Amino acid sequence: EVQLVESGGGLIQPGGSLRLSCAASGFTVGSSYMSWVRQAPGKGLEWVSLIYSGGTTYYADSVKGRFTISRDNSKNTVYLQMNSLRAQDTAVYYCATISGYLYWYFDLWGRGTLVTVSS
Amino acid sequence: DIVMTQSPDSLAVSLGERATINCKSSQSVLYNSNNKNYLAWYQQKPGQPPKLLIYWASTRESGVPDRFSGSGSGTDFTLTISSLQAEDVAVYYCQQYFNTPRITFGPGTKVDIK
Repeated sequence: EVQLVESGGGLIQPGGSLRLSCAASGFTVGSSYMSWVRQAPGKGLEWVSLIYSGGTTYYADSVKGRFTISRDNSKNTVYLQMNSLRAQDTAVYYCATISGYLYWYFDLWGRGTLVTVSS
Repeated sequence: DIVMTQSPDSLAVSLGERATINCKSSQSVLYNSNNKNYLAWYQQKPGQPPKLLIYWASTRESGVPDRFSGSGSGTDFTLTISSLQAEDVAVYYCQQYFNTPRITFGPGTKVDIK
């Protein structure tokens, strides 16, 4: 079965760091286009970051310089390293795949992991 | 960035009746070289992740019931549920992928049963 399972969320103080993981099954992350999308409580969807199969990465302006997307092909897992966290980063973080190189619609989603940034 | 707006914010429709959701982009998402509209629709049920319903503005994702249809071009788009079922209660989002990587979502439309 093709699926994505996120982990690593939790409560973290402002200024802290957290690393999210997204374990894939049924396909290889190294051959796919993997992304993170977040949703603040009661709010809409916001794209966060993407990594192409070739390794090129992209970030939303709101997280550029603070978040880093990466992957470990041997573990078939994608990561989101989040540093200098702010209260406004509080959200459910979803891992998702996009359909194609320039076709950034999300055709597979994980169930998400909640990140709460609060003192 | 391309700003996506949706209307209405919420609607309540009787079972079996038609539900119509509108999505408007601040600039055209029609790519002239391939004549495709870079517009997708998602359904998000309470406590669940979003689910892809429609891409290229009108292409139904595999497994999506044919009561869901998408239409429109350029800047104005519509998602129609032809005969609302109880399991269709959800928030629906549109998303443009014309301006990658600066993709954007609409604010969502909540659909309930009247």
